[in-house]
Amino acid sequence: GDSVTQMEGPVTLSEEAFLTINCTYTATGYPSLFWYVQYPGEGLQLLLKATKADDKGSNKGFEATYRKETTSFHLEKGSVQVSDSAVYFCALHKAAGNKLTFGGGTRVLVKP
Amino acid sequence: KAGVTQTPRYLIKTRGQQVTLSCSPISGHRSVSWYQQTPGQGLQFLFEYFSETQRNKGNFPGRFSGRQFSNSRSEMNVSTLELGDSALYLCASRYRGDTDGYTFGSGTRLTVV
Repeated sequence: GDSVTQMEGPVTLSEEAFLTINCTYTATGYPSLFWYVQYPGEGLQLLLKATKADDKGSNKGFEATYRKETTSFHLEKGSVQVSDSAVYFCALHKAAGNKLTFGGGTRVLVKP
Repeated sequence: KAGVTQTPRYLIKTRGQQVTLSCSPISGHRSVSWYQQTPGQGLQFLFEYFSETQRNKGNFPGRFSGRQFSNSRSEMNVSTLELGDSALYLCASRYRGDTDGYTFGSGTRLTVV
């Protein structure tokens, strides 16, 4: 079946550091790919998405490019802030399944 | 515009009891999905409803059930609660199209004692 694998955390960074969270997927067909973020005590918020190969999703300084050849969708941000501390989830969606398949989540802690 | 509303936010139930959780999607959204989030298993899909019809179901026992009403509001029910059912239950709604992202509610934190 479909699956998403993302790097385990926690990832601890200093403010203004560069952030990369690796995400790879296994799926047949052509899934859409998403990054969601979860702040403490809250639900998931859509961060960015890409619907086809080579698409780049971007939002709030975060970027991720849909790489079909490497089945990856790595999340990057050039300069993190303390407010970026959260858990980040990579997910895929296929029309046939009508559901999101999530990776295990990566906790990011940014220290001032 | 109002987001996805889940009620209640917190619940404490005793093993063996049953519980009903409610989800009101964003106005105009006809697809509602439910997910269970636990530290051990992560985010797992429960079921998805569209126009009152269940279109997909995850790998959960029959104690977990759901339904959707004509106004798109959805409920999920867990009967004969077990300690392992303690989790954050998240509801998500979607407008249309395969490329639209899901909008999640804040969740219901269920604790089974």
